[in-house]
Amino acid sequence: GAVVSQHPSWVICKSGTSVKIECRSLDFQATTMFWYRQFPKQSLMLMATSNEGSKATYEQGVEKDKFLINHASLTLSTLTVTSAHPEDSSFYICSARDLVERGPYNEQFFGPGTRLTVL
Amino acid sequence: AQSVSQHNHHVILSEAASLELGCNYSYGGTVNLFWYVQYPGQHLQLLLKYFSGDPLVKGIKGFEAEFIKSKFSFNLRKPSVQWSDTAEYFCAVNPILTGGGNKLTFGTGTQLKVEL
Repeated sequence: GAVVSQHPSWVICKSGTSVKIECRSLDFQATTMFWYRQFPKQSLMLMATSNEGSKATYEQGVEKDKFLINHASLTLSTLTVTSAHPEDSSFYICSARDLVERGPYNEQFFGPGTRLTVL
Repeated sequence: AQSVSQHNHHVILSEAASLELGCNYSYGGTVNLFWYVQYPGQHLQLLLKYFSGDPLVKGIKGFEAEFIKSKFSFNLRKPSVQWSDTAEYFCAVNPILTGGGNKLTFGTGTQLKVEL
């Protein structure tokens, strides 16, 4: 149980185009999903918290108009990188938290990540 | 803002050697602490977690970690590593804030390579 998938697993696009990444919780419902970005040899940096049916909460320094997040259902959140540039090339990872409260902390389950390369 | 430091970026061990990976965080309040593991080509998986109580927590695959509040540390240990433990290990902290919140701050990771 508790499987999170991401699609696509890797994508190459031209500078100026937009890319959509999907994050799905396959066997549980998630009111909250998180989007992280990981640079080579560096840590995961939280970009935004995505809540089903409401606007995402972005971390300081993350451009909300560039990284559009939509959490349309309890099992799907999407991250759209708009007008992508080479500096947006990175590894994007999502995680999902179970809807059912199971204690003081609900574990985040992580997707496998999406490798974005912008040419 | 809180930060998490992992001092060992690369560790190479022989099978059966003992392992200790350091993790320190910079938040003065109550925290939840985690170690995640990422095997080659796979997603992040939870190895173990600390919420409260016994500061020595045991996780999967023989790993354990000790929370030392006075040192703001949560070091990961394993008495005898196996080749299959080759992976990247991330320490993460969730500060307990008024009003809730479930944000994780990750360390930079430690790449562990276990040689036969």
